[in-house]
Amino acid sequence: DIQMTQSPSTLSASVGDRVTITCRASQSISSWLAWYQQKPGKAPKLLIYKASSLESGVPSRFSGSGSGTEFTLTISSLQPDDFATYYCQQYNSYPLTFGPGTKVDIK
Amino acid sequence: EVQLLESGGGLVQPGGSLRLSCAASGFTFSSYAMSWVRQAPGKGLEWVSAISGSGGSTYYADSVKGRFTISRDNSKNTLYLQMNSLRAEDTAVYYCAKDRVVTAKTPDDAFDIWGQGTMVTVSS
Repeated sequence: DIQMTQSPSTLSASVGDRVTITCRASQSISSWLAWYQQKPGKAPKLLIYKASSLESGVPSRFSGSGSGTEFTLTISSLQPDDFATYYCQQYNSYPLTFGPGTKVDIK
Repeated sequence: EVQLLESGGGLVQPGGSLRLSCAASGFTFSSYAMSWVRQAPGKGLEWVSAISGSGGSTYYADSVKGRFTISRDNSKNTLYLQMNSLRAEDTAVYYCAKDRVVTAKTPDDAFDIWGQGTMVTVSS
């Protein structure tokens, strides 16, 4: 199985900050990586697919990069609506696996 | 509007069974692979099971293999998860999720549509 790790586990930031979250896969997953945002009590929301493609309707301040085993999600200027937990997920092979999540909270 | 609506959650005793349903609307259900993803209270996301658009291929996490069965009725636009031999560690919100696009690869794609989730509590 492919293990996914994320760092940091928690990130304290202010509105307007540039935020970067890292996701690593235990083996190469090419670009088959997605990023999701989840708020408390809500279902996850797709932000990025295929490592760097922005899902329709997602603000352009979100961007993704990477391939192989190392990936990043960047929020260029953090907005109040962005305080949430972010998960990466590989869909290179079954079983599908998620990272443990990164909680972005208010500094 | 593309929508997924789960139902069937509830309180069940250890060793018991439950069947979850996910009603789909707003898209050609039979074309898309579907998955179940769960989230234990205060924990992260865990993929549980997936099924191809035709229903001919199914996939399971090791944690549920042999106890859970995924199925679909394309005539009713509904996805199911039959859960048997339930354990306390199966307690979670269960989400159904739709693959973003149909591709030639397996798995197809990321999940672009999620249901609101249904809570399953396994406790005596």
